[in-house]
Amino acid sequence: DSGVTQTPKHLITATGQRVTLRCSPRSGDLSVYWYQQSLDQGLQFLIQYYNGEERAKGNILERFSAQQFPDLHSELNLSSLELGDSALYFCASSVATGPTYEQYFGPGTRLTVT
Amino acid sequence: AQKVTQAQTEISVVEKEDVTLDCVYETRDTTYYLFWYKQPPSGELVFLIRRNSFDEQNEISGRYSWNFQKSTSSFNFTITASQVVDSAVYFCALRESAGGTSYGKLTFGQGTILTVHP
Repeated sequence: DSGVTQTPKHLITATGQRVTLRCSPRSGDLSVYWYQQSLDQGLQFLIQYYNGEERAKGNILERFSAQQFPDLHSELNLSSLELGDSALYFCASSVATGPTYEQYFGPGTRLTVT
Repeated sequence: AQKVTQAQTEISVVEKEDVTLDCVYETRDTTYYLFWYKQPPSGELVFLIRRNSFDEQNEISGRYSWNFQKSTSSFNFTITASQVVDSAVYFCALRESAGGTSYGKLTFGQGTILTVHP
């Protein structure tokens, strides 16, 4: 158990819908990362937050957005969902934002868009 | 741009065999960090090791060992006397130290599926 929690574990929804994935980092960790794992794209970095502020952006679609709240939990919002958005979404956290800090991953949220 | 290549898509071994998972990376940074993660069938990603680019010492942890060779841009992972519980997908990842918009992200290889048969 990494200490990172993600809810829900599974999510099934229809195309065109909007969903929110939630992540609580390990106690004491200030940085949160979101990754998407799909069969065709593999594991891809989406976005990073540090202490409430966006710090880095990867291949995140405009239909997707995220935020980190004052209590440091983070939410990833996915809207106008398409079949291709079906994937495993991971949240990771680290103590700080430097590259030397290990990222500890949550169990993931499996999103299925039908 | 940074890139990680794990050329072995799938490896199948019998228990107690040694197995090496290959990882080759590309980066323009002089300082960078390499990682290995394990993804068991349950799906979570488990951190195994971090290696700094300026430290080329090999590392051993129990049955696991890592061989970092900067000259060939490789960071290979060996499991000695494999066990059924080692069956998982293994990912090699790279993280650069430079700032900018890529700061913080891990770039993963495509993963190697390891199956250890009893």
